[in-house]
Amino acid sequence: QKEVEQNSGPLSVPEGAIASLNCTYSDRGSQSFFWYRQYSGKSPELIMSIYSNGDKEDGRFTAQLNKASQYVSLLIRDSQPSDSATYLCAVMDSGYSTLTFGKGTMLLVSP
Amino acid sequence: SQTIHQWPATLVQPVGSPLSLECTVEGTSNPNLYWYRQAAGRGLQLLFYSVGIGQISSEVPQNLSASRPQDRQFILSSKKLLLSDSGFYLCAWIRDRGGGYTFGSGTRLTVV
Repeated sequence: QKEVEQNSGPLSVPEGAIASLNCTYSDRGSQSFFWYRQYSGKSPELIMSIYSNGDKEDGRFTAQLNKASQYVSLLIRDSQPSDSATYLCAVMDSGYSTLTFGKGTMLLVSP
Repeated sequence: SQTIHQWPATLVQPVGSPLSLECTVEGTSNPNLYWYRQAAGRGLQLLFYSVGIGQISSEVPQNLSASRPQDRQFILSSKKLLLSDSGFYLCAWIRDRGGGYTFGSGTRLTVV
């Protein structure tokens, strides 16, 4: 059974700091990895995708992937109170394009 | 541009009543479509997915069913709801194989 593990948090950081969110996965055959942001009561919103080992940067967000260690992370630089949300890590299988989600890490950014 | 619609936004239903949730996608053809449920304190659970009209795959045995009567329509149903069916139901679609999902706005179902 495919598993995606995340710390539930909450992860509390002050405004302007770097928030680091981590995720591990069990399926070594996985090739596509995603980070979603979910505000309370809302549906998840895709913020980052990564497919190759290394770093991928998009604005204040950096996704990092290490397939050998089965580890994905998301860094948020210059964190803002509006970044306060639950961040979901998702891993896609190589078959029918189904995503397995972690339970999410709640991030709280204090002003 | 592609959009995904889900309705209703909220629903309160008594135990034993039927359920029908509808999801439609606009601006694309032959999308992969998905139904997920997010129960309180739990992660997103894949319920059903469809790669084409009439093609439904079930991930979790339960009293729910899904149908895809048209290319861009995906329906989640139940004949008799249970208390444990309460949750946030999300429809999603994917344009490119291997890409990320786009979710609809969701339906919050409370079974009383």
